[in-house]
Amino acid sequence: GIQVEQSPPDLILQEGANSTLRCNFSDSVNNLQWFHQNPWGQLINLFYIPSGTKQNGRLSATTVATERYSLLYISSSQTTDSGVYFCAVGADTNAGKSTFGDGTTLTVKP
Amino acid sequence: SQTIHQWPATLVQPVGSPLSLECTVEGTSNPNLYWYRQAAGRGLQLLFYSVGIGQISSEVPQNLSASRPQDRQFILSSKKLLLSDSGFYLCAWRRQMNTEAFFGQGTRLTVV
Repeated sequence: GIQVEQSPPDLILQEGANSTLRCNFSDSVNNLQWFHQNPWGQLINLFYIPSGTKQNGRLSATTVATERYSLLYISSSQTTDSGVYFCAVGADTNAGKSTFGDGTTLTVKP
Repeated sequence: SQTIHQWPATLVQPVGSPLSLECTVEGTSNPNLYWYRQAAGRGLQLLFYSVGIGQISSEVPQNLSASRPQDRQFILSSKKLLLSDSGFYLCAWRRQMNTEAFFGQGTRLTVV
């Protein structure tokens, strides 16, 4: 199956700093999502981005499918950005199943 | 709009007891449905998925089973819980294979 590797595993920032989270995957994919898991465990959808670039406020994401990676950018980080960020990928021959990486744990300090 | 409901939010069960977790989706028809489990400090692992009523596929051998008795209802069950069944269980749906997936709020299960 597809292997998903996220880096870095942990990231500590001061409020206002920018960060880049990376997701590498081992095979071609037709769906890719970024999620933020809040302290209560809720998975919040950030981007559905199998290819290309999207932006939503302070967050943006880029997926380069041919090179098998995706990047999540967080600018001007806030304490509420803290939590775990997951990348999940899948291919179109598998009923929409998604394989998750182990996540990046982001801590934003005031 | 579509919503997904999952309950209960937390559950403490003794070893050997049965389990039934329910997930219901509103506002859509014939969704693909999924059960995931998250171990502490890890990503989510897919347990079961369903592309239609009565159609269940299992991803990993385990002590659990799933059923889809209605189009928008997905149930995770066990006849006898093991300590290793403890974890955070999340239900998800997507409209078609390569569209955005949406997750329920999860059930935190502790087997004691």
